[in-house]
Amino acid sequence: ETGVTQSPTHLIKTRGQQVTLRCSSQSGHNTVSWYQQALGQGPQFIFQYYREEENGRGNFPPRFSGLQFPNYSSELNVNALELDDSALYLCASSGLGGHPEKLFFGSGTQLSVL
Amino acid sequence: KQEVTQIPAALSVPEGENLVLNCSFTDSAIYNLQWFRQDPGKGLTSLLLIQSSQREQTSGRLNASLDKSSGRSTLYIAASQPGDSATYLCAVEGAGANSKLTFGKGITLSVRP
Repeated sequence: ETGVTQSPTHLIKTRGQQVTLRCSSQSGHNTVSWYQQALGQGPQFIFQYYREEENGRGNFPPRFSGLQFPNYSSELNVNALELDDSALYLCASSGLGGHPEKLFFGSGTQLSVL
Repeated sequence: KQEVTQIPAALSVPEGENLVLNCSFTDSAIYNLQWFRQDPGKGLTSLLLIQSSQREQTSGRLNASLDKSSGRSTLYIAASQPGDSATYLCAVEGAGANSKLTFGKGITLSVRP
């Protein structure tokens, strides 16, 4: 167990809907990164939050947005869902200081868009 | 743009065999390289992290090497066991402001009893 928890574990939505995924980071970690992993692919970086501010973004459209809260938990919001958004969404936390740092991944949220 | 390649996509070996998984990357300006294990439908577990200044790291039956100048890394698994069956992903952290990882597609390993 990494101490990073994600909810829900599975989710089914229809095209055009909106979804919110949640992540609780490991105790003491102030940085959360989100990744999208399509079937048979490696994870793709969506964005990272550090102390409640976005700290880098991958090649994803603005309908992918996020938040980080004062307790360093985080949300990923996706608006206007498309079929291609179906994927495993992974959250990773880090931030004990020093570099390089290991990322600790949660078990992910499996999103299916019908 | 960094690209990470892992070939082959899948590998099947008999139990007890020593094996090598390969990873290559296009941009040698990296902070570190990590190997992860992923079980079906699950998150990632970090196996080994090699800093850019290091050549290798070892943990139990696993040994990872890094040749930054040639853009290559290998993960060596000694005396493979059926419990090693999983997908193994290689990821590099670029020399940027955040800890963004660029992943390969992974190698799905099956160890036959």
